[in-house]
Amino acid sequence: KAGVTQTPRYLIKTRGQQVTLSCSPISGHRSVSWYQQTPGQGLQFLFEYFSETQRNKGNFPGRFSGRQFSNSRSEMNVSTLELGDSALYLCASQPGQHNEQFFGPGTRLTVL
Amino acid sequence: QQQVKQSPQSLIVQKGGISIINCAYENTAFDYFPWYQQFPGKGPALLIAIRPDVSEKKEGRFTISFNKSAKQFSLHIMDSQPGDSATYFCAASWGNNDMRFGAGTRLTVKP
Repeated sequence: KAGVTQTPRYLIKTRGQQVTLSCSPISGHRSVSWYQQTPGQGLQFLFEYFSETQRNKGNFPGRFSGRQFSNSRSEMNVSTLELGDSALYLCASQPGQHNEQFFGPGTRLTVL
Repeated sequence: QQQVKQSPQSLIVQKGGISIINCAYENTAFDYFPWYQQFPGKGPALLIAIRPDVSEKKEGRFTISFNKSAKQFSLHIMDSQPGDSATYFCAASWGNNDMRFGAGTRLTVKP
């Protein structure tokens, strides 16, 4: 099976802009979680989608949003970018109720 | 929000030695404890995981030891190799899949 794919791999934006990141889970996996990874804060949970519904949400401002499509692909959006949003954004998929999460390579976002 | 504390931050081990990374958690509702390995420029990869109904799980050179009463678990890497040099994360989650990660341990295995 192909692994989790994330596009784009690298992104450079300026403050105030908006960005959309995409994640394609492993075939057959219905749950997608998003994480932000920074050197200072480590891996932090953003949100999780299952069957097109947001099932869980981390402690991030409303500028961070996401959605999941009927084919389980997911997107996350960050509006009004801030310098502190520079990070590696990771997507993880899992079969459903199981806990094993399989991560993609991430999207490296740089905000200038 | 940190619910999983990981130590040490960095670890240097000689080739062939044993690497030990420790984690402690607070929330007794956690029922799944994975370890992830991350190489630079890559996403974390699931290494091994344990549930609280067992005290130890071994897969090849990697062993998780779990102490439910102490709310601690650890990763042991036997016969450490230079290729094991990476950052290791412990994590914990419960039914709603809200996984909490430790801060990470940067392991360097010297040849």
